[in-house]
Amino acid sequence: ELKVEQNPLFLSMQEGKNYTIYCNYSTTSDRLYWYRQDPGKSLESLFVLLSNGAVKQEGRLMASLDTKARLSTLHITAAVHDLSATYFCAVDMEVLFGKGTKLSVKP
Amino acid sequence: DTGVSQDPRHKITKRGQNVTFRCDPISEHNRLYWYRQTLGQGPEFLTYFQNEAQLEKSRLLSDRFSAERPKGSFSTLEIQRTEQGDSAMYLCASSHSGGAGELFFGEGSRLTVL
Repeated sequence: ELKVEQNPLFLSMQEGKNYTIYCNYSTTSDRLYWYRQDPGKSLESLFVLLSNGAVKQEGRLMASLDTKARLSTLHITAAVHDLSATYFCAVDMEVLFGKGTKLSVKP
Repeated sequence: DTGVSQDPRHKITKRGQNVTFRCDPISEHNRLYWYRQTLGQGPEFLTYFQNEAQLEKSRLLSDRFSAERPKGSFSTLEIQRTEQGDSAMYLCASSHSGGAGELFFGEGSRLTVL
């Protein structure tokens, strides 16, 4: 069975601190996607990771992919309030999504 | 291009009625996906098309659900004999097969079955 598992599912962050979200998947996919969803909104693409060892950075977010371990991480540096949202990882041709990690940043 | 558009944005219906949603993808995108999302969950894959061909359909999908993309452009998702459990947000997304595969999502169509 194809699975995409994220943890944690909920993360309460303090402003200015660093955090990491993990995404494990069970397929042999060599592509992994990260999306952001704000409450009541649709999903927005953040990163596309296309190969083993790929690393992408945008602002305070950095995503990496280890296809051998079937693991991707999303690292948050010095969290700020506007990062509060739900983050999803997804894999495979059908684009299977994880359950999402809901982040909230508190002052 | 204004992105992926979905219609209607909200639909309230009574149990047993049929409903149809429409999705217009980004014009140069040949792939189109339908997902269902309930509160607190990730998008659940329903089906996808490459051009007019329906290449994959979720095995979990009831036969009350049907999707078409007759000319390889817009798509419709029909739910027959709706049930209360069908209440969800129905998301459409598109991509280009020659690209990196990232999906561009519409704003969704929210279905409420009374």
